[in-house]
Amino acid sequence: NAGVTQTPKFRILKIGQSMTLQCTQDMNHNYMYWYRQDPGMGLKLIYYSVGAGITDKGEVPNGYNVSRSTTEDFPLRLELAAPSQTSVYFCASSYGQGGQETQYFGPGTRLLVL
Amino acid sequence: AQKITQTQPGMFVQEKEAVTLDCTYDTSDPSYGLFWYKQPSSGEMIFLIYQGSYDQQNATEGRYSLNFQKARKSANLVISASQLGDSAMYFCAMRDIRDDKIIFGKGTRLHILP
Repeated sequence: NAGVTQTPKFRILKIGQSMTLQCTQDMNHNYMYWYRQDPGMGLKLIYYSVGAGITDKGEVPNGYNVSRSTTEDFPLRLELAAPSQTSVYFCASSYGQGGQETQYFGPGTRLLVL
Repeated sequence: AQKITQTQPGMFVQEKEAVTLDCTYDTSDPSYGLFWYKQPSSGEMIFLIYQGSYDQQNATEGRYSLNFQKARKSANLVISASQLGDSAMYFCAMRDIRDDKIIFGKGTRLHILP
């Protein structure tokens, strides 16, 4: 049971390039989330999904896209990378709604856009 | 709209003393959940404690307890008998049960002094 895995761990992008951050969970969780954490700041929700085929915007969705074709995978797409997207990206998952449904976080992807 | 506020950007506490980390929240939904996470310098997010809005008693988990004052919309984390390993960033978070988003405060950096 690997939990939540993210790839890559670190990436440098040039302005205007695109890339996909991968996130996979093996806990059969319905809910998945993408956050970004800027240096010295808290986490901001980018997108989330309550199940396969369903996604919704969070606080800071501009410049990103997501898809959820399976329960396990929730990739985050950056189409035209900008320096403002330099951040650490965390993927998280949880079983469902209500109760003590804590999120399980991946180790993060550190992205640098130059 | 939901909002989480952590007013203490940093705190210094002597080892073995108790410490209280402040968190206030704002939501119009009567059903919500409150979380605290620890983020050590290694970067991973560690779940500490959860409080549901309808829970009658304050949550406790080992040395962690949550001082939940619903009328004041306050959910402070109390760490008893602090240890050097408690030095980390601490984030308060809230889930709005209605739309399943979980949002985070900006965090408090706790330094435990020997």
